[in-house]
Amino acid sequence: EVQLVESGGGLIKPGGSLRLSCAASGFSFTDAWMSWVRQAPGKGLEWVGLIKTKSDGGTTDYGAPVKGRVTISRDDSKATLYLQMNSLKIEDTAVYYCATEDIVVVPSAYEHWGQGTPVIVSS
Amino acid sequence: EIVLTQSPGTLSLSPGERATLSCRASYNVFSSYVAWYQHKPGQAPRLLIFGTSNRATGIPDRFSGSGSGTDFTLTIGRLEPEDFAVYYCQHYGSSPRTFGPGTKLEIK
Repeated sequence: EVQLVESGGGLIKPGGSLRLSCAASGFSFTDAWMSWVRQAPGKGLEWVGLIKTKSDGGTTDYGAPVKGRVTISRDDSKATLYLQMNSLKIEDTAVYYCATEDIVVVPSAYEHWGQGTPVIVSS
Repeated sequence: EIVLTQSPGTLSLSPGERATLSCRASYNVFSSYVAWYQHKPGQAPRLLIFGTSNRATGIPDRFSGSGSGTDFTLTIGRLEPEDFAVYYCQHYGSSPRTFGPGTKLEIK
C-alpha cells in the first residue's frame, strides 16, 4: 500500500524558514516524480513544485508564487521528499500535501497523496 | 502557462440528479494530460479521472470525463450523498501543473 506521510508543519513568523518532509513507502520512491501541492484556507489547490527522479536528471520546477523562496529535494536512501521554505509570507499559510506521479508513465496525474501538514505563518 | 477556469463556481443539486462540471483551458491542451480530483474537507484530494476520460482505480462508473482542445467536462451520472465535495480539474502535461479554481458541488 502506498503511503505518504508529511511532517514538519507548524506556526512560524513571517520571514522565517521551515522544512517539510514527506516519508514515502509502498512503492519505488527512487523511480517516482514527486510534487508538493498546497491549499490555503478557503482557497483551492495550488501546485507548489515537483522534483524528477535522479535518472531523469533530478530537476525541479516551481510555481510562480514560491519560486526563489522554496527548494524541493529528495533523499532516495530514506525515501523522503523535502520542501525547504524560506522568507515565509502570511500568504504561504496552507495545508501542504505531497503527491506522487505514476512510476511508469510521466507526466501523470496524482493518484497518491499524503494527508497534509498545516503551515501557519503569523506574527 | 495554462490557466484553467471552472464553471459553475457552485452547483446545487439533489441526490440522484446528474451533475455536469466544466473546465476551460486558456489555450488548446493535449487531452492526455487533463485530470479531475474530488476534495473533501480534512481529506487528501482523490484522483477521479486522468487523461480526460480514464477513471482512476476504484472510481465508480457514474463518474465520467470528456472533452478536447480547451473544453473538458466531468459528469457524475446519479449523485450519491458522498459525491458532494469540491472538484478540481488539472493540466499536468507541463509545468506548472495548473489546477482550476474548483467547483463546489452542494446538496440542494
